[in-house]
Amino acid sequence: DTEVTQTPKHLVMGMTNKKSLKCEQHMGHRAMYWYKQKAKKPPELMFVYSYEKLSINESVPSRFSPECPNSSLLNLHLHALQPEDSALYLCASSHIDRVDTEAFFGQGTRLTVV
Amino acid sequence: SQQGEEDPQALSIQEGENATMNCSYKTSINNLQWYRQNSGRGLVHLILIRSNEREKHSGRLRVTLDTSKKSSSLLITASRAADTASYFCATDAFSQGGSEKLVFGKGTKLTVNP
Repeated sequence: DTEVTQTPKHLVMGMTNKKSLKCEQHMGHRAMYWYKQKAKKPPELMFVYSYEKLSINESVPSRFSPECPNSSLLNLHLHALQPEDSALYLCASSHIDRVDTEAFFGQGTRLTVV
Repeated sequence: SQQGEEDPQALSIQEGENATMNCSYKTSINNLQWYRQNSGRGLVHLILIRSNEREKHSGRLRVTLDTSKKSSSLLITASRAADTASYFCATDAFSQGGSEKLVFGKGTKLTVNP
C-alpha cells in the first residue's frame, strides 16, 4: 500500500465553523506533512511531524491546528478561517523527515471558505 | 521563500515530441527532486538527483544537474497525452526554525496534444 488517503476530498465551510481534515498512511512512514497550495502556485509547507512530534511550524496562523494522534494519522483542525484560506490542502508522508527522501502525497482536500 | 524557478511557465507540444523543462535555483543544494501534478491532484515523485550527480534516467525521463550554473533540466522523451500535467522542481532549504525542508519551484504546465 503506497497510498496517502485524505478526507474529505472537498469541503465548504463558513468562517465560524470548525472542521477537520484527515490524512492516513500505512507505509510505516515516520514523517508527515501538511502543505497548502493556492491556484497556479506551488505547494507551500505548513507543518512537519517527525515521529509524531511537531518538528516544523512555518509560522502558520493559530486558526490551523495540526494533530498527529499516531504514526499513521495526521489531522488538521480548522477554526475561524478566512476566505483567503481557500486552497488545496495536501498531506504527504516520507520514510523519515529528510529532504533527500521521496515524499508521497495524498490527492488533497479542496477547501472553500465562504 | 521560493528556491527553484521553472522555465518555461507553460509548454505545449504534440504527442511524440520531447519536452524539456528547466529549473534554476539560488543557493547551494544537496539534492533536487522533480514532481508531477495532474490538475488539482496530489504530487507524484519522479526523480531525485544529488549534488554529486550530473545525470539520472528513469524510463522516458532524463534529469540533469549543473551545480555550477545552479540549474537542472527535466527531459521527457516521446511524450504522451497522459504526460499533460504541471511539473515542479523541489530543492532543500531551511525552515524558519532552522530545520531542512523541501521548497517547490513555480512549476511548468505541460500540455501534450494528441
